[in-house]
Amino acid sequence: QQQVKQSPQSLIVQKGGISIINCAYENTAFDYFPWYQQFPGKGPALLIAIRPDVSEKKEGRFTISFNKSAKQFSLHIMDSQPGDSATYFCAASKAGRRALTFGSGTRLQVQP
Amino acid sequence: EAGVVQSPRYKIIEKKQPVAFWCNPISGHNTLYWYRQNLGQGPELLIRYENEEAVDDSQLPKDRFSAERLKGVDSTLKIQPAELGDSAVYLCASSQTQTEAFFGQGTRLTVV
Repeated sequence: QQQVKQSPQSLIVQKGGISIINCAYENTAFDYFPWYQQFPGKGPALLIAIRPDVSEKKEGRFTISFNKSAKQFSLHIMDSQPGDSATYFCAASKAGRRALTFGSGTRLQVQP
Repeated sequence: EAGVVQSPRYKIIEKKQPVAFWCNPISGHNTLYWYRQNLGQGPELLIRYENEEAVDDSQLPKDRFSAERLKGVDSTLKIQPAELGDSAVYLCASSQTQTEAFFGQGTRLTVV
């Protein structure tokens, strides 16, 4: 059972554009929703995270939008740069179970 | 501060042979995770330790996989015997807070 569904699988954006990656979850017990960035040959690194008591969180060029009723959340990367080219994973975890359930990943390519 | 350290970075073995991976978590992190990441997929939890205790190992194939965490610090993950389908990147992560996990660079295992 895929508890966190992520789309699109791949994304090509022009430099300066907006990258949008979407995730949907099934388990209403999830209460923590991070996004991880992974470069080739590296482990995933936490980018930004949100809890369901807020609808939006912004850190620099990265914004998470959260829709609790729809059980969806998304990552927006403003002014996308070639250095943002990486694979992005959404994830979720529930209180008491610290392990993360990851989406399948989105490979982002930002063209100069 | 040093991050999560894993070794080896790469390992190629023949099927039916044993293999072991080692992880040194961030100092002071009492929670340690082993994840497996198949090519083009998100990481999937194998086992979670709280100090020395394995508290979540429901996804660990116990017929061939084993893990231990010595004195609540370093950890080893072993596969014996390895199968072709075990080829993947094995990621170790650690955390101190309830949810933010820091990942190592992983060990890429190829079983031939």
